[in-house]
Formats: sequence, C-alpha cells, structure tokens
Amino acid sequence: EAQVTQNPRYLITVTGKKLTVTCSQNMNHEYMSWYRQDPGLGLRQIYYSMNVEVTDKGDVPEGYKVSRKEKRNFPLILESPSPNQTSLYFCASGRQGLNGYTFGSGTRLTVV
Amino acid sequence: KQEVTQIPAALSVPEGENLVLNCSFTDSAIYNLQWFRQDPGKGLTSLLLIQSSQREQTSGRLNASLDKSSGRSTLYIAASQPGDSATYLCAVKVDTGTASKLTFGTGTRLQVTL
Repeated sequence: EAQVTQNPRYLITVTGKKLTVTCSQNMNHEYMSWYRQDPGLGLRQIYYSMNVEVTDKGDVPEGYKVSRKEKRNFPLILESPSPNQTSLYFCASGRQGLNGYTFGSGTRLTVV
Repeated sequence: KQEVTQIPAALSVPEGENLVLNCSFTDSAIYNLQWFRQDPGKGLTSLLLIQSSQREQTSGRLNASLDKSSGRSTLYIAASQPGDSATYLCAVKVDTGTASKLTFGTGTRLQVTL
C-alpha cells in the first residue's frame, strides 16, 4: 500500500531533550515536507526537500533540523525542544509538478 | 505572500442537505489546488486535486471547482451524511522547480446532524 509513515504517533517529552520524528514513504517521491498544525494558525511548512541531499527552509524552520540521506526517509529533528513546539506534525510526500501530496497520519508532540 | 482563506469557519447542516464550502487565495499563480478532509486528531485525506488549467473535478458526491483568475475554489457536497462530519481544508500549491509548498487555509469544520 502506498503510504507515508510517521513515528511515533504520540510523544511527550521534556524541554531540552533531543528527539527525532521519523517519516518514510514507499512511493519513490522526490519531494518530502514537514508541516505543523496549530489551532487558529492552520498548517505551516517547516522544511522541505526536493530530492536526496537537497533541503530548504519553509515558513517556520526555527528550532528544527532535517536531513535527506535517502529518498524514502525525511526525519525531523528537534535538538532542544521547547514548549512552543508542542503541536501536531505532518509529513508529506509527492512528485514535482502536477501531482498532489500524500500525508502521514500525524505525530502529536507535547513538550513539558 | 500567498494567503488562503476558508469561509465559513464552521458549518452545521441537517442530513441530506447540499452544501458549499468556500476557499479563496490571494495569488493566482498556483500550480494546483487540493481539498483535504481531516477527522479529529487524525491525518489528512486527499479528496480532490484540481490543476490550474482545470475548472472542476468530481468524485462521488463531491465536486470541486476552481476559478484561478478570481482566486476562488468551492467544494460542493451533495446529499450530506453524518459521516461527512470533519474539517475540510483547501491548499494551493506553488511549484517553481526549485521550491515547492502547499499553503493551507485554516479549514471549515462541518457537522452534519441527524
């Protein structure tokens, strides 16, 4: 089944403790991206990647890192999480051009 | 900067009614527009994708239209059912070849009552 898989689905952590949220897609998509969703603000892009080893900042990249060493994986790294990063995170993948994007099921992160 | 607005923010209708959700965007230089459904605490399910050159797309009881020049899209849901209750999001895609992103509206929360 074609899908985008995020792990974990739920995560509670403490301020400053490094964490990684994984994202993997099995559709051989070039493009992958991370979004966060907050009440009243909608979904905002954090980082995106147009292909392996090619990443760039989205609208809200502060406090996040990403890497794209393989085409299928695009982990989101929070080196020193803070409470304002408590949010619902979505990973997406797609092909450039005419196609739409496929989203993962989301990761609900709580930083206390 | 592209801005996407969805009106209304919330809508409650009785079962069986036809309804229209609205989406407007400020920059008409889009690649395509995608409508999603999101159930509470869940992920996004793609409903319809309209390319910038298209006027509408249909899937079952859903019909989405696009008027790129005026920056508007509508999602028409026929014969609504309680199972249609969810938040509906529209998103426009900009793809320049070196950058690609979806800009989302904040959604319309739909409740279909018995």
